[in-house]
Amino acid sequence: KNQVEQSPQSLIILEGKNCTLQCNYTVSPFSNLRWYKQDTGRGPVSLTIMTFSENTKSNGRYTATLDADTKQSSLHITASQLSDSASYICVVSARGSQGNLIFGKGTKLSVKP
Amino acid sequence: SAVISQKPSRDICQRGTSLTIQCQVDSQVTMMFWYRQQPGQSLTLIATANQGSEATYESGFVIDKFPISRPNLTFSTLTVSNMSPEDSSIYLCSVGGSGTGEKLFFGSGTQLSVL
Repeated sequence: KNQVEQSPQSLIILEGKNCTLQCNYTVSPFSNLRWYKQDTGRGPVSLTIMTFSENTKSNGRYTATLDADTKQSSLHITASQLSDSASYICVVSARGSQGNLIFGKGTKLSVKP
Repeated sequence: SAVISQKPSRDICQRGTSLTIQCQVDSQVTMMFWYRQQPGQSLTLIATANQGSEATYESGFVIDKFPISRPNLTFSTLTVSNMSPEDSSIYLCSVGGSGTGEKLFFGSGTQLSVL
């Protein structure tokens, strides 16, 4: 069964600190992996998209990694800011139609001053 | 990129009533999608809104409960019919994401609470 598991479920860090969010998946056949940021009351916004051949991709202070062999991805946030407080959702796409996007439940990050 | 306007942003409704959510895109798109995000859960695809034909529903979702309109390539509506408290969720429309590496854009969502 295609699944995307994210950990931790929630995380609290102090402003300025780094953190890493994890995503494990069992989606096959794999096409790409996406990380989204969802602010409270808003729709998700794309951070990174990685295909099978890519193992790292950065977007400002956000760096995503992908290990297609172990089916694991991480999202590293550097020098966190209060505005980073949001849910971070990992989405894995199987080759095929839109219906094959598998969403994780997200990690809720709270950055405290 | 695509800019998606979704409304209403939130609503509180009575059991048994219906709510229609509108989604407007700033460019023509072939497919639009409707998702539901229940509290603490991941996004679940409800249906694909096709222009000029009936929407394609995912398993567990039916047209009588979630009728969808797609009158043109920039607009779609989702109606949540005969609502119950179990329908309390965030509803999101989206476009894109079909191709490898193609970004998936979301509307800002509709927070629905059913009393």
